Amino acid sequence: AQSVTQPDIHITVSEGASLELRCNYSYGATPYLFWYVQSPGQGLQLLLKYFSGDTLVQGIKGFEAEFKRSQSSFNLRKPSVHWSDAAEYFCAVGSGTYKYIFGTGTRLKVLA
Amino acid sequence: EAGVAQSPRYKIIEKRQSVAFWCNPISGHATLYWYQQILGQGPKLLIQFQNNGVVDDSQLPKDRFSAERLKGVDSTLKIQPAKLEDSAVYLCASSPQVGIYNNSPLHFGNGTRLTVT
Repeated sequence: AQSVTQPDIHITVSEGASLELRCNYSYGATPYLFWYVQSPGQGLQLLLKYFSGDTLVQGIKGFEAEFKRSQSSFNLRKPSVHWSDAAEYFCAVGSGTYKYIFGTGTRLKVLA
Repeated sequence: EAGVAQSPRYKIIEKRQSVAFWCNPISGHATLYWYQQILGQGPKLLIQFQNNGVVDDSQLPKDRFSAERLKGVDSTLKIQPAKLEDSAVYLCASSPQVGIYNNSPLHFGNGTRLTVT
């Protein structure tokens, strides 16, 4: 069955430090992969997506993610975190023609 | 463009009562989703509509949950009777077309937070 694992429930980084959020997926075919961000009291906003082609994808707000088929991973990175990046981040995999399966999320805390 | 609108933002009810949530998707979006997000978990799909037809409701607890999308625009999700474990945020999302393959991401509303006491 398709699944998404985000091993880190909480991550704390200092402002200006680099960030990497982990995502591992289980999917039998070519995956369609997404990262969404959710600020408190808000819905989810798409950061970036991978469908095919270049395995390093750029997103909004300075985020990027790298698809590694051999590791079944799609980790999210940002070289320098800003206080406004504090939020919850969800990795998702596209299942079938329309179903998205979300991970359990990683809550990011940014220290001033 | 206006985003996905949901109401109410918050709702507190007692168990065994009924509740309804409303969603207005982005204009022109054919596909509408209802997700349940329990605290500490990722969103879980409850039901997906394509226009006014149901595409997937395999994870909808049909003994207590119902949803409709009249005229292929607005949608209502109802719970009757509510249980304590229904406490969650209910998210509505829409996308222009069916299918991830069509490169159409989800646009989410801000959700309705339901507390069942």
